[in-house]
Amino acid sequence: QLVESGGGLVKPGGSLRLSCAASGFTFSTYSMIWVRQAPGKGLEWVSSISSYRNNMNSADSVKGRFTISRDNAKKSLYLQMNSLRVEDTALYYCARVDPTNAFDMWGRGAMVTVSS
Amino acid sequence: QAVLTQPASLSASPGASASLTCTLRSGINVGTYRIYWYQQKPGSPPQFLLRYTSDSDKQQGSGVPSRFSGSKDASANAGILLISGLQSDDEADYYCVIWHSSAWVFGGGTKLTVL
Repeated sequence: QLVESGGGLVKPGGSLRLSCAASGFTFSTYSMIWVRQAPGKGLEWVSSISSYRNNMNSADSVKGRFTISRDNAKKSLYLQMNSLRVEDTALYYCARVDPTNAFDMWGRGAMVTVSS
Repeated sequence: QAVLTQPASLSASPGASASLTCTLRSGINVGTYRIYWYQQKPGSPPQFLLRYTSDSDKQQGSGVPSRFSGSKDASANAGILLISGLQSDDEADYYCVIWHSSAWVFGGGTKLTVL
């Protein structure tokens, strides 16, 4: 399973670090992604990282502000979010990417609220 | 124009079939893309339903009933999620996804109402 943590309320311009703890599968062999969902809105891809960190991609909306990383020894995925904006307010999901690139396992999400 | 366009809502009756479309922007050929479909119920994370590239290259999500199937309409440049034998439990939001220009792109989602 996947369990996100680290969400909360932060002021515009602030920082937050999300974590995603994995269990029940060989974490190091899977690519992982972050997907977010603003309140009442659709899903939006945020960032992806390959199994051994040699390939990372991020959406243009977060490029230069958010950094995805992972620690395979700790079976954990992270999202460092800097220079947060009101429009970053969303429920952030981590998900596992299977070998066919399907997002086949999802956490329940961590809520991030950016407000003054 | 968005890369992927889905109708905002669709209604259908129990037992009927529902065809959910995912139209690719002009200039992006549906024939070359793997299209992934996800279902999301209120208060829950999305769930992978299926992937469809062609009849010879498709994948059903684990535990997903065969009532859910994928196809493409080349003339409309669209991917299609077909749900047959609709049940009240199928009421949810449905999202299509493709990998395009080094980014995962989600459609805006279709809210399916079964009534």
